[in-house]
Amino acid sequence: RKEVEQDPGPFNVPEGATVAFNCTYSNSASQSFFWYRQDCRKEPKLLMSVYSSGNEDGRFTAQLNRASQYISLLIRDSKLSDSATYLCVVNGGNTGFQKLVFGTGTRLLVSP
Amino acid sequence: DTEVTQTPKHLVMGMTNKKSLKCEQHMGHRAMYWYKQKAKKPPELMFVYSYEKLSINESVPSRFSPECPNSSLLNLHLHALQPEDSALYLCASSPSGVGKEAFFGQGTRLTVV
Repeated sequence: RKEVEQDPGPFNVPEGATVAFNCTYSNSASQSFFWYRQDCRKEPKLLMSVYSSGNEDGRFTAQLNRASQYISLLIRDSKLSDSATYLCVVNGGNTGFQKLVFGTGTRLLVSP
Repeated sequence: DTEVTQTPKHLVMGMTNKKSLKCEQHMGHRAMYWYKQKAKKPPELMFVYSYEKLSINESVPSRFSPECPNSSLLNLHLHALQPEDSALYLCASSPSGVGKEAFFGQGTRLTVV
């Protein structure tokens, strides 16, 4: 089983739609969680950290369910510029060091 | 300034060449990383440096040799690479400790011929 699993998509949605991505992780000792965005042939860029209480940044909402080892990202009012690959990233556990493990990514295509 | 700078942006090298990738950050981050990313795949961790000491080596072949000369610089020395080593090599940095966001450089696109 992969450490971090995501549906690769692609998710094809029209502008203005709401879309949700899910991610599961296998290491129950994982302590920190992030969503990154990666555009084609570019580096990953931090979108937001994910907290147990859930957090929101504009049109983006992230949630963490530690009991189910599940992370989600909700994008409201999708824009064309949201088209990218969204990477779920988990700190790989109790090494004491920041070992970020990436999911395979979910590709989002927003169309006019 | 949340910038991680990598040079060169593109590199083509033969299998007998020796080359180095460079990474620099001035954010005061004490953890630095090398990742390898193949097309349509997620980044895979290669090395982690914490306070200039190698903390994690993800069983990377010895033809890849990391070096951290100081807290701002990270190098990856390449020698006798294979064509399958062609990939995007990403450097990242973060504040030390768990739970901190990592910031990535633009990467070096390496082609081994």
